[in-house]
Amino acid sequence: NAGVTQTPKFQVLKTGQSMTLQCAQDMNHNSMYWYRQDPGMGLRLIYYSASEGTTDKGEVPNGYNVSRLNKREFSLRLESAAPSQTSVYFCASRDRGRETQYFGPGTRLLVL
Amino acid sequence: KNQVEQSPQSLIILEGKNCTLQCNYTVSPFSNLRWYKQDTGRGPVSLTIMTFSENTKSNGRYTATLDADTKQSSLHITASQLSDSASYICVVSATDNFNKFYFGSGTKLNVKP
Repeated sequence: NAGVTQTPKFQVLKTGQSMTLQCAQDMNHNSMYWYRQDPGMGLRLIYYSASEGTTDKGEVPNGYNVSRLNKREFSLRLESAAPSQTSVYFCASRDRGRETQYFGPGTRLLVL
Repeated sequence: KNQVEQSPQSLIILEGKNCTLQCNYTVSPFSNLRWYKQDTGRGPVSLTIMTFSENTKSNGRYTATLDADTKQSSLHITASQLSDSASYICVVSATDNFNKFYFGSGTKLNVKP
């Protein structure tokens, strides 16, 4: 049981490049989330998916798109990366009716 | 505005000592409050979860308290160990949106030998 996995662990992009961050969970959870974590700030919600087939914007969605590919997988895409998107990105999942989120190990993204 | 404030921002203590971390929130209507531990380079991991009716909850050497009237919570760590060095994050959720979680910016604890 791997929990929540994220790939890649670390990525360097040039401004304007695109990439997709992958997230998968093997706990059969309904809800999945993408957050970014910046120094001195709390985690901020980018997008979430309450259940398979649905996605909703969070607090900071601009510049990102998401896909809930199936119940296990939830990807985050940066179409045209900007230096302001340099951050650590965390994926999380939560079971319906349960309050605790389970987080992946994070993806460290540097945009030059 | 729904907010979660944590103090102190950082803390250094000697191994074996106790410490208390604070969390104040303005989130309403309140559902529950969680404390997470985040080791450097890792994702947060849940320590405790407390609902409106709970005043105290323990998880080993970690004891969380909640005062729903004053909207304050604390996390007390007893007999600290080097492995307690991490960031501790307070997270509050409201009853009007079960997919919205309000995160504090965390307290970075450094336990020195």
